[in-house]
Amino acid sequence: NAGVTQTPKFQVLKTGQSMTLQCAQDMNHEYMSWYRQDPGMGLRLIHYSVGAGITDQGEVPNGYNVSRSTTEDFPLRLLSAAPSQTSVYFCATSLGSQYQPQHFGDGTRLSIL
Amino acid sequence: ELKVEQNPLFLSMQEGKNYTIYCNYSTTSDRLYWYRQDPGKSLESLFVLLSNGAVKQEGRLMASLDTKARLSTLHITAAVHDLSATYFCAFQGGSEKLVFGKGTKLTVNP
Repeated sequence: NAGVTQTPKFQVLKTGQSMTLQCAQDMNHEYMSWYRQDPGMGLRLIHYSVGAGITDQGEVPNGYNVSRSTTEDFPLRLLSAAPSQTSVYFCATSLGSQYQPQHFGDGTRLSIL
Repeated sequence: ELKVEQNPLFLSMQEGKNYTIYCNYSTTSDRLYWYRQDPGKSLESLFVLLSNGAVKQEGRLMASLDTKARLSTLHITAAVHDLSATYFCAFQGGSEKLVFGKGTKLTVNP
């Protein structure tokens, strides 16, 4: 049982490049979300999804796109990378009940030069 | 706007001592979560607090929730080095979205 799998674990990009951060879960969780973690800022919600075909914006959505075509996968796309997007990105999932904690992946450490 | 204020942001303790981390939030919520993060690692769920007056304990950590005061606390009893980590509180204000505090970096010194 893999839980929440994020790939890649590390990535270096040049300004203006695009890329997709992958998040896959095998727990049949309805709710999936993406956070970024920056020093001294805690975790900030980028986008989230309450089920396949449904996505919504979080606190810091600009520069990021998401889609949810299946229950299992929730990729995060950086359209044109900027140095301000250098961060650690976490994917999290939960059952969809409002009383369950979210399960976090191991994170993707992204540097943009 | 949903806000969470966590303090202190940095805490250096001696082993064997007690201390409390505070988490204030800005709107009505009856769902409060505490997470632990070790350096370079992911977040691990510690406690889920679902109602006013809820208290949960695991080992040397005890969490409580006062929804009227919009306050949750994480109390550390007789700290040991293994508790060194960053602790986050997070709450849900009516949807699935979690709002996190900035975290408390705890260092327990021998």
